Amino acid sequence: QQQVKQSPQSLIVQKGGISIINCAYENTAFDYFPWYQQFPGKGPALLIAIRPDVSEKKEGRFTISFNKSAKQFSLHIMDSQPGDSATYFCAASGSSNTGKLIFGQGTTLQVKP
Amino acid sequence: GAVVSQHPSWVICKSGTSVKIECRSLDFQATTMFWYRQFPKQSLMLMATSNEGSKATYEQGVEKDKFLINHASLTLSTLTVTSAHPEDSSFYICSASGGSRNYGYTFGSGTRLTVV
Repeated sequence: QQQVKQSPQSLIVQKGGISIINCAYENTAFDYFPWYQQFPGKGPALLIAIRPDVSEKKEGRFTISFNKSAKQFSLHIMDSQPGDSATYFCAASGSSNTGKLIFGQGTTLQVKP
Repeated sequence: GAVVSQHPSWVICKSGTSVKIECRSLDFQATTMFWYRQFPKQSLMLMATSNEGSKATYEQGVEKDKFLINHASLTLSTLTVTSAHPEDSSFYICSASGGSRNYGYTFGSGTRLTVV
């Protein structure tokens, strides 16, 4: 019930294309859903986050779509650039787990020039 | 913005020795800090949660006597890997939260530990 399942494991997109990464959760007590970007040898950096009271949030080229009934959320990267090539993690937390972040398995994105 | 400094960024130590990793919140008070471990091409696995002035809460399967966590102030938490062995070699990452549910979590840059 604490799991967050992320797909796909890897993704190759052409420059200018749209990258889509999906996550699903089980615990309905989760109320905070962030996405992180991680480059090799670095810590994760917050990209964008959403709470379940909205269905979509957009920041620049990054958009989170949230489907509360389906317990799914996704990250869309518009106009993908080679500099976006990194590993992306979704995560979830809620008051029921004392604020701990539960991470998805990660998606390695490669944007080809 | 919120900044978390983690030091050292990499360390090599001999088997049997201990290594200390520091995690500092530079511009906010971190009431809660989290320590993660990440193996190559894998996700972050939470090791423990520490609240300032309290004993850390360890996740199942994490040896608390091997991974000592101290959170003595609102800006500093340390992770000490005691009697390190090659299997402890990993990427260790800390994260700090300001305590508000709206604050989010800020991650350090990680420490690459290699035990030889």
